[in-house]
Amino acid sequence: DGGITQSPKYLFRKEGQNVTLSCEQNLNHDAMYWYRQDPGQGLRLIYYSQIVNDFQKGDIAEGYSVSREKKESFPLTVTSAQKNPTAFYLCASRTAHLDMQETQYFGPGTRLLVL
Amino acid sequence: KQEVTQIPAALSVPEGENLVLNCSFTDSAIYNLQWFRQDPGKGLTSLLLIQSSQREQTSGRLNASLDKSSGRSTLYIAASQPGDSATYLCAVRTGGTSYGKLTFGQGTILTVHP
Repeated sequence: DGGITQSPKYLFRKEGQNVTLSCEQNLNHDAMYWYRQDPGQGLRLIYYSQIVNDFQKGDIAEGYSVSREKKESFPLTVTSAQKNPTAFYLCASRTAHLDMQETQYFGPGTRLLVL
Repeated sequence: KQEVTQIPAALSVPEGENLVLNCSFTDSAIYNLQWFRQDPGKGLTSLLLIQSSQREQTSGRLNASLDKSSGRSTLYIAASQPGDSATYLCAVRTGGTSYGKLTFGQGTILTVHP
């Protein structure tokens, strides 16, 4: 079955620690996205990637970093510079970044908690 | 800056009732509008996507309308069922950049009780 997988489902971060959230898709999509969701709020864009080896900052990129070495994978690192990382993180992908008609497909999410 | 607002924030209805969820947006220059469903602790599932040139889309018991000029969309759910209980999110895609940014509302939490 084609889809998007995110791991782990729950992640705990200690003070000063960097943690990496995994996102893998087998949909052959070029574009991938990371969103953050806080309680009672809509999704906010962290980073997006149109193609391998390319990525752009979204609205709330500070304290986060990404890489896109493979088409299937778009890992997100939450660095120690992110002072309020507790949130639900969602990865998404789309056929083509410039295709305005196509919807985004979402993974199941990772919940990050600070110890 | 595009802003998306959803009303009500929460809704509780008895099974079988027809209901309407509302979404409003401030910038009418949109490419499309989407309605998503999110179950607790899960990702988003696309329900309906309306292009800017369209007035409505239907899928089963769901009907979404779009009035671009007034900046409004409604999601109509007919004969609601307990399985419809979830958070419903509205999102609009606007231009201005090559990305065509997707802006989300904060969602409506729907509870359908037997």
